[in-house]
Amino acid sequence: AQKITQTQPGMFVQEKEAVTLDCTYDTSDQSYGLFWYKQPSSGEMIFLIYQGSYDEQNATEGRYSLNFQKARKSANLVISASQLGDSAMYFCAMRPPSNTGKLIFGQGTTLQVKP
Amino acid sequence: EAGVAQSPRYKIIEKRQSVAFWCNPISGHATLYWYQQILGQGPKLLIQFQNNGVVDDSQLPKDRFSAERLKGVDSTLKIQPAKLEDSAVYLCASSLARDYPYEQYFGPGTRLTVT
Repeated sequence: AQKITQTQPGMFVQEKEAVTLDCTYDTSDQSYGLFWYKQPSSGEMIFLIYQGSYDEQNATEGRYSLNFQKARKSANLVISASQLGDSAMYFCAMRPPSNTGKLIFGQGTTLQVKP
Repeated sequence: EAGVAQSPRYKIIEKRQSVAFWCNPISGHATLYWYQQILGQGPKLLIQFQNNGVVDDSQLPKDRFSAERLKGVDSTLKIQPAKLEDSAVYLCASSLARDYPYEQYFGPGTRLTVT
């Protein structure tokens, strides 16, 4: 069965510094997608970044990058130059190869950016 | 463009009562998802529609939960009768199609408290 594990319930980072949020996944499938979402206190889930299992290069989107290590089954999110507005809950999610588009989410990591 | 709309934003009911949530997806989005997010956990898919047909309802507690998507646009999720463990945020999401790059756009959610 597919599973996403986020082992950091809470993280602190100083403003303007970089931070890494950990995510490991468990699947026996060869084809899958990995996502990161941000959930501010308002409640909406905001898509940040995507990595396909066959993508050779790590995905990047602005200040977000995904450190994809397939052999270790990890997909860590790196946020560079943290801003106060980055304070939120962050979820790692996996889309298995079924064609439904369903996402399986981890437990989330709360990030607090200190001024 | 307008985002995914959900109502109500908050609802408090007593156990054994019934409740209904409404979702209006982004215009033109064929795929609609309902997720349940219990406090401290990641969202879990309850049901997925493709137009007005059900694609996946494997994790929907069908003895008390029901959902419909008439005319392939708006959707309602109903709980009858509610239990204490149904207290959660119910998130609706929509996408143009099932697979990436068609990402899921989430609404603000409905926070349900069952007393």
